[in-house]
Amino acid sequence: DIQMTQSPSSLSASVGDRVTITCRTRQSIRTYLNWYQQKPGKAPKLLIYAASTLQSGVPSRFSGSGSGTDFTLTINSLQPEDSATYHCQQSYSTPYTFGQGTKLEI
Amino acid sequence: EVQLVESGGGLVQPGGSLRLSCAASGFTFSDYWMHWVRQVPGKGLVWVSRISRDAISTAYADFVRGRFTISRDNARNTLYLQMNSLRAEDTAVYYCARDPDRRGYSFKDSWGQGTLVTVSS
Repeated sequence: DIQMTQSPSSLSASVGDRVTITCRTRQSIRTYLNWYQQKPGKAPKLLIYAASTLQSGVPSRFSGSGSGTDFTLTINSLQPEDSATYHCQQSYSTPYTFGQGTKLEI
Repeated sequence: EVQLVESGGGLVQPGGSLRLSCAASGFTFSDYWMHWVRQVPGKGLVWVSRISRDAISTAYADFVRGRFTISRDNARNTLYLQMNSLRAEDTAVYYCARDPDRRGYSFKDSWGQGTLVTVSS
């Protein structure tokens, strides 16, 4: 199984800040990496797929980058509604493992 | 509007069985791969299983292989998860999610609201 290491596990930031969340794997997954946002009591929502492709309807302040083993989710100009938990997931091979999640407090 | 509505969760004793359903509407169900993902409240997401558009290809996490079976009925626009030999550690919210498998990339672009499965005596 491909292990996903996501960091940090939590962070606090202010409105207008820029934050970066990273996800690392021990083996290359090329660009088979997705990012999801989840708010308390809600289902996850797709933000980014294929490492850097913004899902339709997602604000452009969200961006993803990386390939191989190191990936980054960047949120520019933080908004209050960005307070959530963010999850990375590899889709290179089954089982499609997730990172442990990053809780972002605004 | 795309809708995925899970049902079938509840309280079951260890060793028991449940069948989860996920009713799809608002899109052409047979055009999408489908997944089950679970989450213990307050914990991370865990991928459980996926099935191809035509139900020919399936895959499972090691911890459910041999106990859970994913299936679908494209005529009824419904995804299923048959869960047997349930254990306390299977307690979680179970989500179904659709996957357009675009250009070979698998991702979940729409999710249901989840159904809670509690395994306890």
